[in-house]
Amino acid sequence: QKEVEQNSGPLSVPEGAIASLNCTYSDRGSQSFFWYRQYSGKSPELIMSIYSNGDKEDGRFTAQLNKASQYVSLLIRDSQPSDSATYLCAVNMMDSSYKLIFGSGTRLLVRP
Amino acid sequence: EAGVAQSPRYKIIEKRQSVAFWCNPISGHATLYWYQQILGQGPKLLIQFQNNGVVDDSQLPKDRFSAERLKGVDSTLKIQPAKLEDSAVYLCASSLLYGGTGRNTEAFFGQGTRLTVV
Repeated sequence: QKEVEQNSGPLSVPEGAIASLNCTYSDRGSQSFFWYRQYSGKSPELIMSIYSNGDKEDGRFTAQLNKASQYVSLLIRDSQPSDSATYLCAVNMMDSSYKLIFGSGTRLLVRP
Repeated sequence: EAGVAQSPRYKIIEKRQSVAFWCNPISGHATLYWYQQILGQGPKLLIQFQNNGVVDDSQLPKDRFSAERLKGVDSTLKIQPAKLEDSAVYLCASSLLYGGTGRNTEAFFGQGTRLTVV
């Protein structure tokens, strides 16, 4: 079983719409959750972090965490073509020690 | 504040040759990560250091890969001998701490090294 799961996409949304990206994880003891954005040919860039249940908003981005369901999501409001990228979910998981594990990423396409 | 530095940016080698990658983390960051990212996949954790100690290397192919962080700052990842399937981007990241919660656990990436094995 994969430790961090994401739908590979592509998720295609029109400009101005809300993009919803989802992630599930296997370890109930996980404590820190991150969303990274990766443009083609570039390295991952941290855009959101969340540590407690509920919503966290930063500009057009909202991260949502539900530890009981082992589920993290990222909402992007007013999507722009420049948001087209791969979005990676990462979780600090406890195995024998804490380690930062990434999902396979969801490709987002924002149509003008 | 300077970011994570990696070199070289690109490397092309023949199979069975050896190669080394270098990483200098953000100043003061105790945790350093090496990831392998194959095209179309998410980053795969190879090894995680806390200062100069290894936290996790369960996914490191130890018959051909090695990594060290002797003084708890810079790190080197080596592949010897390289195989065709090692073609990937090797990413280094660092964070103040690992585990727990809070901004101290946020990890930041360098630009990566693109390795092509022919």
